[in-house]
Amino acid sequence: LAKTTQPISMDSYEGQEVNITCSHNNIATNDYITWYQQFPSQGPRFIIQGYKTKVTNEVASLFIPADRKSSTLSLPRVSLSDTAVYYCLVGDRGATNKLIFGTGTLLAVQP
Amino acid sequence: GAGVSQSPSNKVTEKGKDVELRCDPISGHTALYWYRQSLGQGLEFLIYFQGNSAPDKSGLPSDRFSAERTGGSVSTLTIQRTQQEDSAVYLCASSQIGLAGGPEQYFGPGTRLTVT
Repeated sequence: LAKTTQPISMDSYEGQEVNITCSHNNIATNDYITWYQQFPSQGPRFIIQGYKTKVTNEVASLFIPADRKSSTLSLPRVSLSDTAVYYCLVGDRGATNKLIFGTGTLLAVQP
Repeated sequence: GAGVSQSPSNKVTEKGKDVELRCDPISGHTALYWYRQSLGQGLEFLIYFQGNSAPDKSGLPSDRFSAERTGGSVSTLTIQRTQQEDSAVYLCASSQIGLAGGPEQYFGPGTRLTVT
């Protein structure tokens, strides 16, 4: 199974914009890129999803370059409650019925 | 409406025993997924069902693991002859379509399995 990598951790302050990048060089051709947020002792929660270029919703933006081998989740003006682990999720080009979660990024937001 | 539910929420078992974990997906969701999350680790994909069918079971960690889904709804993940390395949180998720459609997955709260 291909590896999907993310920075282990990031620190930020309230009100700042945070960008978290996921490297997925073996992404399946037809699959979307999805990002999830996970708080301790909870299941992951959907944030945003895209296929290419840029997607924006009420909580985040997702930037995907043309080669789709990476993606960047952008969280505008983070708050303390955004402290969580963030994961990207993609399909594996080498295995049509498998998904790969990224290694996860722990975002710590400080006052 | 109800979300994804899993039972039990916690399970402590002795090494060598069999355990069965249950997942009730959101009504109408055709796709169902099982993941494993070891303590302090990331999420490991185990298996995916489209309806009652699992196209690829190679993500299951060993032949002690099996999963089934009946009636396009409830799924069970069975671990035979449990080992200490099976200790983890087992998460279930469901979505309206599967995989390549890239739909939003809704996760259950997980079952925390501890093998002593």
